[in-house]
Order: sequence, then C-alpha cells, then structure tokens
Amino acid sequence: DQQVKQNSPSLSVQEGRISILNCDYTNSMFDYFLWYKKYPAEGPTFLISISSIKDKNEDGRFTVFLNKSAKHLSLHIVPSQPGDSAVYFCAASRTLDTDKLIFGTGTRLQVFP
Amino acid sequence: ETGVTQTPRHLVMGMTNKKSLKCEQHLGHNAMYWYKQSAKKPLELMFVYSLEERVENNSVPSRFSPECPNSSHLFLHLHTLQPEDSALYLCASSLDLGAYRGNEQFFGPGTRLTVL
Repeated sequence: DQQVKQNSPSLSVQEGRISILNCDYTNSMFDYFLWYKKYPAEGPTFLISISSIKDKNEDGRFTVFLNKSAKHLSLHIVPSQPGDSAVYFCAASRTLDTDKLIFGTGTRLQVFP
Repeated sequence: ETGVTQTPRHLVMGMTNKKSLKCEQHLGHNAMYWYKQSAKKPLELMFVYSLEERVENNSVPSRFSPECPNSSHLFLHLHTLQPEDSALYLCASSLDLGAYRGNEQFFGPGTRLTVL
C-alpha cells in the first residue's frame, strides 16, 4: 500500500502561469517532506522541503504548502518556465526512521510557451 | 569530478550473468543508499550504509548483494537476476543519516538495467 501518493501522473501548464503539484500521504507519523525534480537521464535533485511544524516554505519561485489535517502537501511554481518541465517526486519521512524516504510515483510537468 | 557518479549507465545482462553496479560520491558524505525505480512505481529503498556499515536491508532478495568498501564507494553485485529486476537503479548519498534540513540526499544519474 502506497504511503505517499501523487495521483496526477502528468500536468501541462502554460509558461508564466502557476503550476500546482499535489501529494497525499497516509502515515500521520511523517514529519518531514521533500520535493525532488528529475530530468531525463539524470538523477533526482532536491528542490524544497518542509517540516511538519510549518505549513509553508518558500524558496524563490517554489513554495510548498503542508496541510497536516488533510495529510496533503502541494508544490506551487510561479511563474512556470519551460525549464521547469521535469518529473516531480514528493517524498516523506519520519524523524525516528533516520534512513527512510518514502517516495511518490511522480508527476510529469510540461510547461509550454 | 563532483557529485554522485554511477557506472555503467546502461547494462543488459542474462539471468545467469554476474555483474556489478558502481557508485562513487565526491561530496564527503557518510551515508549512501541504493534505490530501485521500476516503471510506474515509486523509488524503493534497497540498502543504506552509514560509515561503511549497512544499517538497512529493505527485504531485498539475496541475488542483490551490496558492498561499501569505504565511505566514497558503493557497489551492488548482481547474480542470477530475473527479468522483473529490470529497472533504474539509483545511488544516493547524504551527509549523515536522517531526513532534516541540510541533510538532503544527492542522487546519481542511475543505471538502467535490463535482464533478458
């Protein structure tokens, strides 16, 4: 049973508009969440993270929102750029599980001109 | 060379072959990981090493055998694999164990393995 779910396998957004990628989790013990971005033929690269003591974390064009009661997090990219086209993975962890990141299946974002 | 490197990038092997995947990190990290990514499935953690000691073996079949001779190198030895083992194998490293700000995992580009 998947503990981290990304229900949208793909998303297409026009350049300059907002991209919203969603992630749901089932384990209420998760307390740290990350987003990774992956280009073809490359490994995932870390993008942004959020601790469960926060509900928002912002880094430039990227903002992650966490709704603990709904067990939901989202990544907002604004404005979206063609270079943002990639697969985005959501991941979650428990502080007590010092070595485990649980990943979602990813959402492929395409930003078109 | 910087970051996390993996060789080979592509590997095709028969079920009776023995091969090894290599991972090297030039980041001075103490923890290293092997992940498997099958089509349309999430990344699955296979093994974790911290300071060359294995700290996690995530119910992985014995036909996969990891080795960590030092904190910069990680190997995955493969023998008598099955076609369902065909996947992208990713190596990662982090400063230490634990998921917290400043300790993010850095991934290599992966080895695309096909078992015939």
